[in-house]
Amino acid sequence: KNQVEQSPQSLIILEGKNCTLQCNYTVSPFSNLRWYKQDTGRGPVSLTIMTFSENTKSNGRYTATLDADTKQSSLHITASQLSDSASYICVVSAILIGSQGNLIFGKGTKLSVKP
Amino acid sequence: DSGVTQTPKHLITATGQRVTLRCSPRSGDLSVYWYQQSLDQGLQFLIQYYNGEERAKGNILERFSAQQFPDLHSELNLSSLELGDSALYFCASSVTQGADYGYTFGSGTRLTVV
Repeated sequence: KNQVEQSPQSLIILEGKNCTLQCNYTVSPFSNLRWYKQDTGRGPVSLTIMTFSENTKSNGRYTATLDADTKQSSLHITASQLSDSASYICVVSAILIGSQGNLIFGKGTKLSVKP
Repeated sequence: DSGVTQTPKHLITATGQRVTLRCSPRSGDLSVYWYQQSLDQGLQFLIQYYNGEERAKGNILERFSAQQFPDLHSELNLSSLELGDSALYFCASSVTQGADYGYTFGSGTRLTVV
């Protein structure tokens, strides 16, 4: 069964610190993996999208890594800011042409950055 | 502004009622996806339309239905509402029908059933 598991469920860090969020998946065949940031009550916003051949992608202070062999991804946030407080959602896409059924969502990690 | 427009932003209604949520996709996008997000839950896929035709169905209740119009906007109809239908409803749009290149979410409609 295609699944995406994220850990931890929630995380509290101090402003300025770094943190790493994890995503493990069992989706096959794999197409790509995306990380989204969702502010409370808002729609998710894409941070990165990585295909099988990419193992690192950065977007400002956000760096995503992908290990397709172990089926793991991480999202590293450096020098956290209060505005980083949000849920971070890992989404994995299977290779199925023409159907949304190929997108499997994780439940997200809720990050709180405290001053 | 993501380019995906959802209206209304908030909706409060009574049990047993029917409501319609509206989504206008980003310019040029042909696919529209609907998601439900209950409190502290992950996004649950409901249904997808591509260029006016239903493409995929997820965990959508029979009391719910949707359609995509010729101008590509979409409506999600929720009927015989129950307290448990209270949630955020998101619409997303993409150029392709497989969302292979990612898609863009709207800011959601918060539905409260009382």
